[in-house]
Parts: sequence; C-alpha cells; structure tokens
Amino acid sequence: QSVLTQPPSASGTPGQRVTISCSGTRSNIGSNYVYWYQQLPGTAPKLLIYRNNQRPSGVPDRFSGSKSGTSASLAISGLRSEDEADYYCAAWDDSLSGPVFGGGTKLTVL
Amino acid sequence: QVQLQESGPGLMKPSETLSLTCIVSGGAISSDYWSWIRQPPGKGLEWIGSIYYTESTNYNPSLKSRVTISVDTSKNQFSLKLTSVTAADTAVYFCARGGSHTHFDSWGQGTLVTVSS
Repeated sequence: QSVLTQPPSASGTPGQRVTISCSGTRSNIGSNYVYWYQQLPGTAPKLLIYRNNQRPSGVPDRFSGSKSGTSASLAISGLRSEDEADYYCAAWDDSLSGPVFGGGTKLTVL
Repeated sequence: QVQLQESGPGLMKPSETLSLTCIVSGGAISSDYWSWIRQPPGKGLEWIGSIYYTESTNYNPSLKSRVTISVDTSKNQFSLKLTSVTAADTAVYFCARGGSHTHFDSWGQGTLVTVSS
C-alpha cells in the first residue's frame, strides 16, 4: 500500500483535459514539494513536474501541476495518444525521512 | 546530459545477496545525491535509499536492515547491496540522480532482477 493515494486509472478522449489526483498527509504533501513522473510502457519514469508546478525543459505546457493542503493534482490538456502512460506523484516524507510515491495512475486515451 | 546505466545479475536464488552497480556518465558523481528505486512487476515505485558523494546515506526503514549503498567517486559509480533476498525482492531496479528533498531528474533504464529457486 502506497503512502500517497492516487486513482488506479483515468481516461479521456483526444483533445480532452484530464486530471489525476494525489492525496497525502501533513508529513509529506502538506509540508513538502510534490513531483510527478510519467512512465511510458517498458521505460523508466521521466520527471514531468517538480516543485508542485514547475516543468523541466522539454515538457509541453499541456502538463500542469498544482497543490493545495495535503493534496495535489496533475492536469493534462489537449490529450494526445502519446500521453497514454502511468503517472506517479511523489513527495518527501518528514516521518519517513525519505521520498514516497503514489501507487500510480494508468491513463488511457480512448 | 547525465546518463545512468545499471548492471547486475538477472536471476538470483533466495537468501543470496543482490549486488547492482550504476555507472554515471556525462556528469560528476561528486555533485549530487544518487538513489536506488525499485518497481515490482505490474506495481508502483518504491524508494530503496540514497547516497551523497560524501558517503552519507539514507535508507527506507522497511529495507534498512538489508541494504547498503556505496559510492566510488574514482569510477563515477555507486552500488546497491541487498542481503537475504526473497521472491518479494523481484523487481526492476532503477538508479537515479536525486534523493534528498528533491526530485529524481535522471534515471537509468532499469534492470530486472528475478529471485527464484
């Protein structure tokens, strides 16, 4: 069981906007930055969002992150077929003294 | 751009010690935190532990009794040892840059380790 809680699946049609939620506690999301990773099938995770809402160079602005209290969200607008992947949220946990991950959300583009 | 490459055995027997090495290229290992993360087949990501080039380490409490992470700055690589493996340790093991209050911005391709008798 993962420390951070994500819905196991999400879906949308091309062009739609979808959001993926991530719920935590005061010891992780509530007091630290949230990160999002995209994992395409058979590949390593790729950093998508850092420090709650910052995009690394090369990540399209269709991807955006937000955080409020002990929850965070990843939004993907203008959904494309190549966005079909697993998405993981992560945050530092002060109780664990280490990073924790969500269980992952499998995004399907219908 | 920094690149990471894991190497190690693909198949192990229960009770053996898992040893993996991550070679870092395109950047100096003596400038950041470096971590091991694993992913059981069909499951999510689990942080194993992190090391700074000064050899300061931080381990997941659930694995701490069995894990040792070390760094060799002369070879620009860091390593993972996990003792007394069981089938529950079967996973893809990733090495990554980052690990202390920050993100993992570069990852190795991952190496599958299967524990089976």
